[in-house]
Amino acid sequence: DAGITQSPRYKITETGRQVTLMCHQTWSHSYMFWYRQDLGHGLRLIYYSAAADITDKGEVPDGYVVSRSKTENFPLTLESATRSQTSVYFCATQGRPNSNQPQHFGDGTRLSIL
Amino acid sequence: GESVGLHLPTLSVQEGDNSIINCAYSNSASDYFIWYKQESGKGPQFIIDIRSNMDKRQGQRVTVLLNKTVKHLSLQIAATQPGDSAVYFCAEKRTGANSKLTFGKGITLSVRP
Repeated sequence: DAGITQSPRYKITETGRQVTLMCHQTWSHSYMFWYRQDLGHGLRLIYYSAAADITDKGEVPDGYVVSRSKTENFPLTLESATRSQTSVYFCATQGRPNSNQPQHFGDGTRLSIL
Repeated sequence: GESVGLHLPTLSVQEGDNSIINCAYSNSASDYFIWYKQESGKGPQFIIDIRSNMDKRQGQRVTVLLNKTVKHLSLQIAATQPGDSAVYFCAEKRTGANSKLTFGKGITLSVRP
């Protein structure tokens, strides 16, 4: 059972480049989330999705784009990367919407923007 | 064991002692709480959760206590082991928040051999 797979695990890119982080789940969970984790800020929600073709902004959405054409995939795109987007990015899923269930996380993508 | 609030970054305990990690939450409308453990280079791992209609919940070597009167959550780890060394943080879900969680900043638990 692979659960949640994030790719790549590490990425280095340059300012202004477009970069896409991938998230794939095998659980058919309805909800998927993207977070960034920075020292001093903890986990901050970027975007989330309640189901295929339904996405919504989180706390820090500026500079990011998401899509969810299939339930199992939730890619996050930085259209024009900036140094402030250097961070560790985590994807998470949750089974049933509006229910008291924990979110489950992937192992993250460490992104460095030079 | 020692206890410390999440405003302090590190808790150091002796192997075999009990650990207590505390978390203060701000929203009295929160109805669900979770503790996560995060090891270096990995994603947060679910430890235990509790609903607001409960005061206490026990798992394997872990207990979560919820005090709604003072909006306080704690995680107790019995017989702390070296493998418990990690960052721990709490998360809360506010009623009607559409499954979104609010996370605390985390505390590092360091287990001395």
